[in-house]
Amino acid sequence: AQSVTQLGSHVSVSEGALVLLRCNYSSSVPPYLFWYVQYPNQGLQLLLKYTTGATLVKGINGFEAEFKKSETSFHLTKPSAHMSDAAEYFCAVSEASTLTFGKGTMLLVSP
Amino acid sequence: EAGVAQSPRYKIIEKRQSVAFWCNPISGHATLYWYQQILGQGPKLLIQFQNNGVVDDSQLPKDRFSAERLKGVDSTLKIQPAKLEDSAVYLCATQAGTGELFFGEGSRLTVL
Repeated sequence: AQSVTQLGSHVSVSEGALVLLRCNYSSSVPPYLFWYVQYPNQGLQLLLKYTTGATLVKGINGFEAEFKKSETSFHLTKPSAHMSDAAEYFCAVSEASTLTFGKGTMLLVSP
Repeated sequence: EAGVAQSPRYKIIEKRQSVAFWCNPISGHATLYWYQQILGQGPKLLIQFQNNGVVDDSQLPKDRFSAERLKGVDSTLKIQPAKLEDSAVYLCATQAGTGELFFGEGSRLTVL
């Protein structure tokens, strides 16, 4: 069975600082991996996804993630945080057509 | 294109009452999901439809939850009777041919 572990329920950064949100997964087959963002009182929005090919994936709003099979990781990064990045971020893994989410990481951005 | 529509956005009921949520998917999306998101947790899959057939309902508490997708378009999720632990946001999502899931804004249920 697939599973996702997100390290840290909350991450705090200053505006302009590097953002790093950690995600580790387990899957019995080569995974499809996703990062979603959720703003307050809204649904989830896809940031980026890895299916096959290049292991460094670029997404919207300047985010990117790198698939590292040896580490079973798919960490999300952004070089410079913006106030508007404050939201909850979910890592997810897909087997067949079923998506399993991590518990989420709340990103707090201070001026 | 229009997104996934859900209603109602908010619902407050007392325990043992019933509630129903409605989802209108993006046109042409054959796969539809209902997720339950409890505060502080990630979304948990309740049921997956492919057109009007159920693909996976292994995590649906069938003693109180039911869902249907008549005609393979709109879907409803019903809870009867509700328990306190059912307080959550119920998210509907539909899947494009690319595999990407598109989520509605969710229906927030509070059970008192």
